[in-house]
Amino acid sequence: NAGVTQTPKFQVLKTGQSMTLQCAQDMNHEYMSWYRQDPGMGLRLIHYSVGAGITDQGEVPNGYNVSRSTTEDFPLRLLSAAPSQTSVYFCASSYAGGFWETQYFGPGTRLLVL
Amino acid sequence: RKEVEQDPGPFNVPEGATVAFNCTYSNSASQSFFWYRQDCRKEPKLLMSVYSSGNEDGRFTAQLNRASQYISLLIRDSKLSDSATYLCVVHNDMRFGAGTRLTVKP
Repeated sequence: NAGVTQTPKFQVLKTGQSMTLQCAQDMNHEYMSWYRQDPGMGLRLIHYSVGAGITDQGEVPNGYNVSRSTTEDFPLRLLSAAPSQTSVYFCASSYAGGFWETQYFGPGTRLLVL
Repeated sequence: RKEVEQDPGPFNVPEGATVAFNCTYSNSASQSFFWYRQDCRKEPKLLMSVYSSGNEDGRFTAQLNRASQYISLLIRDSKLSDSATYLCVVHNDMRFGAGTRLTVKP
């Protein structure tokens, strides 16, 4: 199993550009989520999904869109990039997302918005 | 007050030392707690769950104090390979602490 994969590893954008961060998992996990990690802030939940066709907002959803058309994929779209979105983005998945489920993280995407 | 707070450190300890981290949380209804480990420029990985009765995994001991709303992680006989950032997580709120950095020196 590849686990959770993310592409690209690095990306530089100009303010106003849009892009999609890809996330895929091959563990048949129902629950997937996106986090951003900034220095001194810890990981903050952007959006999550409890299954195909179902998504919901996390703590910091503004400026981001998600969709979940398959169990395997959970892309994150930046609609109009801003310098405040410079961060490291992690995708994670877990079997059912319940209280006691371990989350498995992808390797991250480092995004710089100029 | 932040929902999940950790001392950012850094904690610099010699090999063989015992070191402890605390993590406080604000939501008294929180039910599940974890410690994750994150190496520099890598993704977080589960270290251990935190059970109400406390639990141990080799050199690592996790404890929960519901009355004072904190969890702790104790590392005994520190190894160089323990150098990392340790994140506490309140899972039902999906809240991560900012992490505590540990450096173990020879």
